[in-house]
Amino acid sequence: GNSVTQMEGPVTLSEEAFLTINCTYTATGYPSLFWYVQYPGEGLQLLLKATKADDKGSNKGFEATYRKETTSFHLEKGSVQVSDSAVYFCALSVITGNQFYFGTGTSLTVIP
Amino acid sequence: DGGITQSPKYLFRKEGQNVTLSCEQNLNHDAMYWYRQDPGQGLRLIYYSQIVNDFQKGDIAEGYSVSREKKESFPLTVTSAQKNPTAFYLCASSNAAGRGRLSYGYTFGSGTRLTVV
Repeated sequence: GNSVTQMEGPVTLSEEAFLTINCTYTATGYPSLFWYVQYPGEGLQLLLKATKADDKGSNKGFEATYRKETTSFHLEKGSVQVSDSAVYFCALSVITGNQFYFGTGTSLTVIP
Repeated sequence: DGGITQSPKYLFRKEGQNVTLSCEQNLNHDAMYWYRQDPGQGLRLIYYSQIVNDFQKGDIAEGYSVSREKKESFPLTVTSAQKNPTAFYLCASSNAAGRGRLSYGYTFGSGTRLTVV
């Protein structure tokens, strides 16, 4: 079946630290991969996406590379800010499917 | 600006009462979705609709009902049969309906927090 596994949180980092949030997936079709971000009390916002193997999605300093050989889509940022504190969700969609599949989310807190 | 509007932002339900959560989009998207989010958990799909007058159950449809009479509207009713309705409810839409078009991603509303009192 289709599923997404994210690293468990919460994650706490100091400002300007390097961030990695791991995401691996299983998919029956050929997936597109996404990272969404949720700020407190709000809905989810699309952060970045990649639609084929070896694609790199990037936005606001965040990056993730679609690795088909390791079925992974890890989120990285070189220098986090306090404003990056949020919950991050990895998600996939498959070409034959009608819905997205979300990971459980990883809470990030960045302290000054 | 185009987007999805969910209302109300906060909703309180008494035991045995039905309540309806509103979701309206002006993005001209074909597909709309309802998700439930509980603390520390991911998103679970309640219902989705790919076209007007058609909808399908998701993973946790029991105790919920929906309608899709207009393209821009997808209200969710939480019935008295839903035994644990306290949660954060998210509505989403996509211009990808059908095979091969889900690379566009979802647009989410800002959510409704439902509490049983």
